[in-house]
Amino acid sequence: DAKTTQPPSMDCAEGRAANLPCNHSTISGNEYVYWYRQIHSQGPQYIIHGLKNNETNEMASLIITEDRKSSTLILPHATLRDTAVYYCIVRVEGTGANNLFFGTGTRLTVIP
Amino acid sequence: DVKVTQSSRYLVKRTGEKVFLECVQDMDHENMFWYRQDPGLGLRLIYFSYDVKMKEKGDIPEGYSVSREKKERFSLILESASTNQTSMYLCASRSTRGRSNGYTFGSGTRLTVV
Repeated sequence: DAKTTQPPSMDCAEGRAANLPCNHSTISGNEYVYWYRQIHSQGPQYIIHGLKNNETNEMASLIITEDRKSSTLILPHATLRDTAVYYCIVRVEGTGANNLFFGTGTRLTVIP
Repeated sequence: DVKVTQSSRYLVKRTGEKVFLECVQDMDHENMFWYRQDPGLGLRLIYFSYDVKMKEKGDIPEGYSVSREKKERFSLILESASTNQTSMYLCASRSTRGRSNGYTFGSGTRLTVV
């Protein structure tokens, strides 16, 4: 699986949009981009994933550049409960229990 | 609505003890995983299971074994606990069906070996 690069930390004001970038310049054509987050002392939580098109669900939006070498996770109205470490992961889809390389992620702090 | 349940949040065990960490999922997922998470090292895969009675070694299987006798349950066994196995242990499951097949994680078990 391709590796990803994320900034180690970011701050965001409560109520504002949080935009978390991720670089995955070596991504291959069949690799999806996944985002997870981990709130302190809990297991990672799935947020969203996509291949080429932008995706949106009840938690967030995922914007993937046309060349697929980078993406941005958008939390439209950040709350204090969104303070967590956010992980961007790329992996091949399909059957088989592939390893999930989490890396060190971005620590997002939402400020009141 | 808890979907992946790990039997204990915190455990303290003595060196040399045999330790069982239990994980149960109620989503009929085929794949199940055991990870450990340590500061600065991210999540490292210990063992995983494609389906019932199937198991595969991950990146760091030494000192561990697993059991998957039923689809919903995946147990991690520390044969003889050592202090370097002090860690946060995370269980996850994943479906191989449908489009949205992200991993669902349990809340974790923080194991301390003294």
